Amino acid sequence: AQKVTQAQTEISVVEKEDVTLDCVYETRDTTYYLFWYKQPPSGELVFLIRRNSFDEQNEISGRYSWNFQKSTSSFNFTITASQVVDSAVYFCALSENRDDKIIFGKGTRLHILP
Amino acid sequence: KAGVTQTPRYLIKTRGQQVTLSCSPISGHRSVSWYQQTPGQGLQFLFEYFSETQRNKGNFPGRFSGRQFSNSRSEMNVSTLELGDSALYLCASSWLPPRANEQFFGPGTRLTVL
Repeated sequence: AQKVTQAQTEISVVEKEDVTLDCVYETRDTTYYLFWYKQPPSGELVFLIRRNSFDEQNEISGRYSWNFQKSTSSFNFTITASQVVDSAVYFCALSENRDDKIIFGKGTRLHILP
Repeated sequence: KAGVTQTPRYLIKTRGQQVTLSCSPISGHRSVSWYQQTPGQGLQFLFEYFSETQRNKGNFPGRFSGRQFSNSRSEMNVSTLELGDSALYLCASSWLPPRANEQFFGPGTRLTVL
């Protein structure tokens, strides 16, 4: 069965610090897709990244970077030089190739303190 | 380009009643997914429609149903409401099936069951 675990329920860091959000997934499929979404206080989820299981290259987008490691079934998300606007709940999600159910982790609430 | 719209935004019902929520996807998007978000269970997948066909369903009782119309607009219905159905119901649309691309989320309908 597919499962996504975000062990960090809540994290607080001071602005400008780097912060890494952990995501560990379980799947029996060899083809699957991983996602990160951001849910700011306004409530609307915002897509950040999608990665398929055959692409283990790490990705960087501005201050955001993602580290995908199949060996440890992890897809971690790092924010460099955090800003107050990064405060949100971040969700990691998984979809197997056999269907389009997107299974979300419980989310990590990130507080960036000024 | 207009985003995903959901109506109504807030709803208060009593136990035993039924409710219908509506979702208008982004123009051209053929896939619509529904999610339930609660503090305890997090974001849970309800079902996904693509070109008027329900392709996937989450682990929810039969009281939860949905449909998609030819213009891709979707409705979900919950019959015989229970207190535990109080939640934020999110709709997401995408051009392709969810695993293949980014989903765009609506602001949600907050349902309170008294």
